[in-house]
Amino acid sequence: AQRVTQPEKLLSVFKGAPVELKCNYSYSGSPELFWYVQYSRQRLQLLLRHISRESIKGFTADLNKGETSFHLKKPFAQEEDSAMYYCALAGTASKLTFGTGTRLQVTL
Amino acid sequence: NAGVTQTPKFQVLKTGQSMTLQCAQDMNHNSMYWYRQDPGMGLRLIYYSASEGTTDKGEVPNGYNVSRLNKREFSLRLESAAPSQTSVYFCASSARQGMWAGELFFGEGSRLTVL
Repeated sequence: AQRVTQPEKLLSVFKGAPVELKCNYSYSGSPELFWYVQYSRQRLQLLLRHISRESIKGFTADLNKGETSFHLKKPFAQEEDSAMYYCALAGTASKLTFGTGTRLQVTL
Repeated sequence: NAGVTQTPKFQVLKTGQSMTLQCAQDMNHNSMYWYRQDPGMGLRLIYYSASEGTTDKGEVPNGYNVSRLNKREFSLRLESAAPSQTSVYFCASSARQGMWAGELFFGEGSRLTVL
């Protein structure tokens, strides 16, 4: 079975502060992990995937197989980062399993 | 460039009524999915179709049926709606199985209320 855990429902940070959204997973095979983001009144969209090892909008995420984690990080939060963030794992067949999501609130 | 289109965007039903949510994608994607989004529970997979002609159950299939009408269209039917099916429903598609399967393209969502 595959499972994704996002322990925080809400993360509130000040503008300019570092951000870390936590994601842990459970999967017996080799995982493909992703972060999706849903801005207010917009569609859910892919933010980044671990295989690309890229930085999108200043966000990065490193897959740590030892800790089975894929935390999303950004050194300096911006107001426009306020959104709902979902960690997701692609495992069995074509299915993508999502975590419960973390709402990031960036305040002045 | 429409991407994934869902209809209707809003619907109110009475308990026991039936309805079908329609979804179409114009990206020539093989796989299509229906998710529901509930507060505190994230997105849960209802049904998916890995390719035209196949459908499989996800995490929460009870009370739903699906039809992969052709490569473009994937509909979700509620035969006898229940208040527990009040939710926001998202259709999504992806290009292929394998390593790229995880990049889903989502519709705008359909907000369903069952009274």
